[in-house]
Amino acid sequence: DIVMTQTPLSSPVTLGQPASISCRSSRSLVHSDGNTYLSWLQQRPGQPPRLLIYKVSNRFSGVPDRFSGSGAGTDFTLEISRVEAEDVGVYYCMQATQLPLTFGGGTKVEIK
Amino acid sequence: QVHLVESGGGVVQPGRSLRLSCAASGFPLNSHGIHWVRQAPGKGLEWVASVSSDGNGKNYGDSAKGRFTISRDTSENTVYLQMSSLKVEDTAVYYCARGAGGFCDYWGQGTPVTVSS
Repeated sequence: DIVMTQTPLSSPVTLGQPASISCRSSRSLVHSDGNTYLSWLQQRPGQPPRLLIYKVSNRFSGVPDRFSGSGAGTDFTLEISRVEAEDVGVYYCMQATQLPLTFGGGTKVEIK
Repeated sequence: QVHLVESGGGVVQPGRSLRLSCAASGFPLNSHGIHWVRQAPGKGLEWVASVSSDGNGKNYGDSAKGRFTISRDTSENTVYLQMSSLKVEDTAVYYCARGAGGFCDYWGQGTPVTVSS
């Protein structure tokens, strides 16, 4: 199975300041079809997960442009350019290059 | 508008069975695969099982192999997760999510399952 490792575990951020979350996979996420199936999910308190970013850097419909994804191979990053109160929650990276789908352990974003 | 609604969760004793449902609307099941993902209390996300858009591809995580069965009824546009020989460690909120070719784009609200004597 591909192991996904996220850092940090927790990210206290001042409102309006940037936040960055890293995700590393135990092997390359480049699929044989040439795509890299790394996505980012947001889970607000008491809510189900919500797709933010797919295939490394594509923002899903309705996702604010303050969210951006980057990376390649085994190293990926989610950045929030200016954290807002509604961004509080846990963020997960997820790989779907190979079954089983696997998730990072989660990064909790909270306001200082 | 894509919508996924899970149901069927509840409290069940160890060793018993439960069937979860995921009712899809806004798209036909034969256009997308469906995944079941669970989240134990205070924990992260764990993939459980998936069924492909043509219904022929069924895959299971290690925790589900031999005990859980995924199926679907295209006439009802519903996917099921039959869970048997339930264990305490199966306690979780179970979500269904729509597969979109390498990612899960829409998620349901989840249905809670508690396995306890």
